[in-house]
Amino acid sequence: DTEVTQTPKHLVMGMTNKKSLKCEQHMGHRAMYWYKQKAKKPPELMFVYSYEKLSINESVPSRFSPECPNSSLLNLHLHALQPEDSALYLCASSQMSRGLSTDTQYFGPGTRLTVL
Amino acid sequence: EDKVVQSPLSLVVHEGDTVTLNCSYEVTNFRSLLWYKQEKKAPTFLFMLTSSGIEKKSGRLSSILDKKELFSILNITATQTGDSAIYLCAVEEGAQKLVFGQGTRLTINP
Repeated sequence: DTEVTQTPKHLVMGMTNKKSLKCEQHMGHRAMYWYKQKAKKPPELMFVYSYEKLSINESVPSRFSPECPNSSLLNLHLHALQPEDSALYLCASSQMSRGLSTDTQYFGPGTRLTVL
Repeated sequence: EDKVVQSPLSLVVHEGDTVTLNCSYEVTNFRSLLWYKQEKKAPTFLFMLTSSGIEKKSGRLSSILDKKELFSILNITATQTGDSAIYLCAVEEGAQKLVFGQGTRLTINP
């Protein structure tokens, strides 16, 4: 089973709204990721959680706030977004066993976000 | 600056043709190279390559890595319309960081 699930599939929000994106995996993976993908562009890394701790923040604006409540769940809280934040937001997870020299990331289906 | 470059950016062929997609890279701390297929939404994992010269195969798809010349190719034989997708090459640079190429948009016409 290499399934990563994301909810909602689609989200439309205004610039003053607060919303959250959710990601879940039950593969026992200990690393989880948020990516942003604009149309016709490759995914760009936003955040990485390793063992439920934030390990990488790629200089993402504070209007995006990640949270990892436990090893299976990853949230992305959104507040005061701009229209240019409209994109496909992808979650991924990887095994990240200690001693592994490489680590394959498996992606969820994404949430297509539109900011009006 | 780390970079991953794919070519061609777009390719249109007829069903049954064989295609070769290219990926070259320059990263400072190479760990692996991955190929993904992206149709509507999630990139789906195809291959992970870590060693030079060892071909990985899955059905009609195969891939190989050349760590000396810093490139990889993805071959698809006897293409089908279901192979139409964007093919993404990504390099694992250091721990947990994937650097993606721009992707190759492959269209298979019946």
